[in-house]
Amino acid sequence: EDKVVQSPLSLVVHEGDTVTLNCSYEVTNFRSLLWYKQEKKAPTFLFMLTSSGIEKKSGRLSSILDKKELFSILNITATQTGDSAIYLCAVMNRDDKIIFGKGTRLHILP
Amino acid sequence: KAGVTQTPRYLIKTRGQQVTLSCSPISGHRSVSWYQQTPGQGLQFLFEYFSETQRNKGNFPGRFSGRQFSNSRSEMNVSTLELGDSALYLCASRLSEYNEQFFGPGTRLTVL
Repeated sequence: EDKVVQSPLSLVVHEGDTVTLNCSYEVTNFRSLLWYKQEKKAPTFLFMLTSSGIEKKSGRLSSILDKKELFSILNITATQTGDSAIYLCAVMNRDDKIIFGKGTRLHILP
Repeated sequence: KAGVTQTPRYLIKTRGQQVTLSCSPISGHRSVSWYQQTPGQGLQFLFEYFSETQRNKGNFPGRFSGRQFSNSRSEMNVSTLELGDSALYLCASRLSEYNEQFFGPGTRLTVL
């Protein structure tokens, strides 16, 4: 059965710290991996990764995929209280199914 | 470009009733997916529609059904509501199977 596992489930850090969120997967016919940030309601799209080893960056956020070891990490540097959210990882397969992990709840203390 | 819209935003129903939720995708997006989100189970996939056809289905009972219209708008129906159906129901649209999904604000359903 396809699955996506995120760790840690929750994380509390101080403003200014750097965090690394993990996502591992077992999915047949992998197509791409996606990261979303969910604050109050709808998840908002962060990154889509399809190739191994190519880092995607957006401001203080970056992500990379390892298709050999079947995992991805999401890094956030110089965290701010506005980064507090649930971070969701999802994997899309070639049958167009999207499987979500349970998310990492990140809380940034001022 | 307007985002994904969902109506209603909040619903309160009682056990045994049925409910219909609506989702309008981003203009030009032909794929609409539905998810149920609960604190314990996270985001769980219900089904995906593409050009009025159900393309994928998650592991939910037959009480959960959906459809998509020719203008890509989608509806989800839940019949014989149970307490455990209380959740945030999210709809997401995407341009094609190669693209990321964009989520609507969700409909929060409470079953009493």
